[in-house]
Amino acid sequence: AQSVTQLDSHVSVSEGTPVLLRCNYSSSYSPSLFWYVQHPNKGLQLLLKYTSAATLVKGINGFEAEFKKSETSFHLTKPSAHMSDAAEYFCVVSDWSSYKLIFGSGTRLLVRP
Amino acid sequence: EADIYQTPRYLVIGTGKKITLECSQTMGHDKMYWYQQDPGMELHLIHYSYGVNSTEKGDLSSESTVSRIRTEHFPLTLESARPSHTSQYLCASTSGKVGHEQFFGPGTRLTVL
Repeated sequence: AQSVTQLDSHVSVSEGTPVLLRCNYSSSYSPSLFWYVQHPNKGLQLLLKYTSAATLVKGINGFEAEFKKSETSFHLTKPSAHMSDAAEYFCVVSDWSSYKLIFGSGTRLLVRP
Repeated sequence: EADIYQTPRYLVIGTGKKITLECSQTMGHDKMYWYQQDPGMELHLIHYSYGVNSTEKGDLSSESTVSRIRTEHFPLTLESARPSHTSQYLCASTSGKVGHEQFFGPGTRLTVL
């Protein structure tokens, strides 16, 4: 069975400093992994996805994530936080046998001026 | 930008009313989903469909019902709304191909008084 664990419910950074949002996954086969972002009162927007190609995945708005099979991790990073990055971030693994997504519990990113 | 639409965006109604939340997509996706999300919380799958005339209940029990008469349309109905139904409802769709993400609508925020 597939699952994801987001290790931090809240992360607070200062504007201009690096962002690290942590995600560990469990999968019985080679997974497809996603990071979605949700701004207040909005739907979810795809930031990036890993589908067994390059292990370092670049996404929108300067975000990237590295798939590390040995650590079963898929952490999201950004070199320099912007105020507009403040949002809820979800790490997601796909279950291709059922066409369903398995969501982590989310990490709320706060960006201080 | 994903071509998936939800109406209404916000709805405030009284207890006992019948409501239908609309979801439409123009991408020709076979697979569509309804999620329920309380503020600041994770998403819970309540219904999904793999094609016309196919509907299944999701992982979270819900008193709502769905129908799939046309590929592009996946409405959700509450026959008698209650305050416990107050939540955000998100619709999503995907082609279902390996590595393909789900596209999300903007959501409907429902408040039942």
